[in-house]
Amino acid sequence: DSGVTQTPKHLITATGQRVTLRCSPRSGDLSVYWYQQSLDQGLQFLIQYYNGEERAKGNILERFSAQQFPDLHSELNLSSLELGDSALYFCASSAGTSGKNIQYFGAGTRLSVL
Amino acid sequence: AQSVTQLGSHVSVSEGALVLLRCNYSSSVPPYLFWYVQYPNQGLQLLLKYTTGATLVKGINGFEAEFKKSETSFHLTKPSAHMSDAAEYFCAVGTARQLTFGSGTQLTVLP
Repeated sequence: DSGVTQTPKHLITATGQRVTLRCSPRSGDLSVYWYQQSLDQGLQFLIQYYNGEERAKGNILERFSAQQFPDLHSELNLSSLELGDSALYFCASSAGTSGKNIQYFGAGTRLSVL
Repeated sequence: AQSVTQLGSHVSVSEGALVLLRCNYSSSVPPYLFWYVQYPNQGLQLLLKYTTGATLVKGINGFEAEFKKSETSFHLTKPSAHMSDAAEYFCAVGTARQLTFGSGTQLTVLP
């Protein structure tokens, strides 16, 4: 158990809809990262938050947004969903922002857009 | 910019044989390097990491990796494969922003 909790585990929805994925980091970790894993794109970094502030953006679509709350949990919002958004979405957390910090991954949320 | 290349998307070995999974990286700064393992329907679990110091790094489950700067490589090895090692393995370069992952290598262990 990594200590990172993601809910829900599975999400099935229709095109055009909006969903929210939730992540609780390990106790004491201030950084939260979101990644998307798909068959064609592999593991792609989406966005990073540190102590409530956005720190870095990767290949995140404009239809997607995220935030980190004062209690350090994070939510990833996906809107106007398309078939191609079907993927595994991982949250990871680390103690700080250094590249040497270990990122601990949650079990992921599997999103299926029908 | 950082990038990672994993040679061989699928590797098969017999139980008890040597496991060798290849990883080459490109980094504009001294790299922090990681190997993660992903079992079916699970998240990624850290196997080992290299930040500084000793270039031969030992990890969990008998895996180790050697950082070779001259070859820009960080290959993962295990002397004797076990059936439980069957999984997908990812090499990654770490920066303050993110982890950049390779495309992964699916390891199959044959009885």
